[in-house]
Amino acid sequence: EVQLVQSGGEVKKPGESLKISCKASGYSFSNYWIGWVRQMPGKGLEWMGIIYPGDSDTRYSPSFQGRVTISADKSINTAYLQWSSLRASDTAMYYCARHLALGVFYYPDYWGQGILVTVSS
Amino acid sequence: DIQMTQSPSSLSASVGDRVTITCQASHDIGNFLNWYQQKPGKAPKLLIYDASNLQTGVPSKFSGSGSGTDFTFTISSLQPEDFATYYCQQYDNLPLTFGGGTKVEIK
Repeated sequence: EVQLVQSGGEVKKPGESLKISCKASGYSFSNYWIGWVRQMPGKGLEWMGIIYPGDSDTRYSPSFQGRVTISADKSINTAYLQWSSLRASDTAMYYCARHLALGVFYYPDYWGQGILVTVSS
Repeated sequence: DIQMTQSPSSLSASVGDRVTITCQASHDIGNFLNWYQQKPGKAPKLLIYDASNLQTGVPSKFSGSGSGTDFTFTISSLQPEDFATYYCQQYDNLPLTFGGGTKVEIK
């Protein structure tokens, strides 16, 4: 059974750094893209980017490029999303999601439970 | 980026009703379209992939159709557990983009 278990909620101040995690099990972690989706309070879904743990190839949405870093450690089947300097506007629920790849096409098929990140002074 | 326009943004329906949601893409995306269900406080769940294929384990009351720029999602007979928000999502091009969502509420 595919499972993605995300780390617990976080409360941070503007300007602080943060790294959240997503541990995968039930499939070959190195051979599937895994990525992150943001959902701001009361809003819709925004795709942030994906990484291929096998070779660390990474693709970002232009909306998030330079603001976040996506990484993965295939030795412990874990993907990460990190910020170097948080803003209040980063307050949101963040979902990790395994992405099924069909050639050059990718889409999320299994999702983690979400991590609520709150940034407030 | 490919823009996905969903309508309506919300609807009220009764148990047993047939519900239809539409999704329009700003460019031709072939059949590279998925539908997700999200219940309050929960992660999205993939229901339909490739515009019309039912994900394993998803009840056949859910269906999807369309290609190119115009797509439709249907629930044949609404049940209490179907009250949720539904999103379309294109994967023809990166970045992946979602429609704004349709909240299905109890009448």
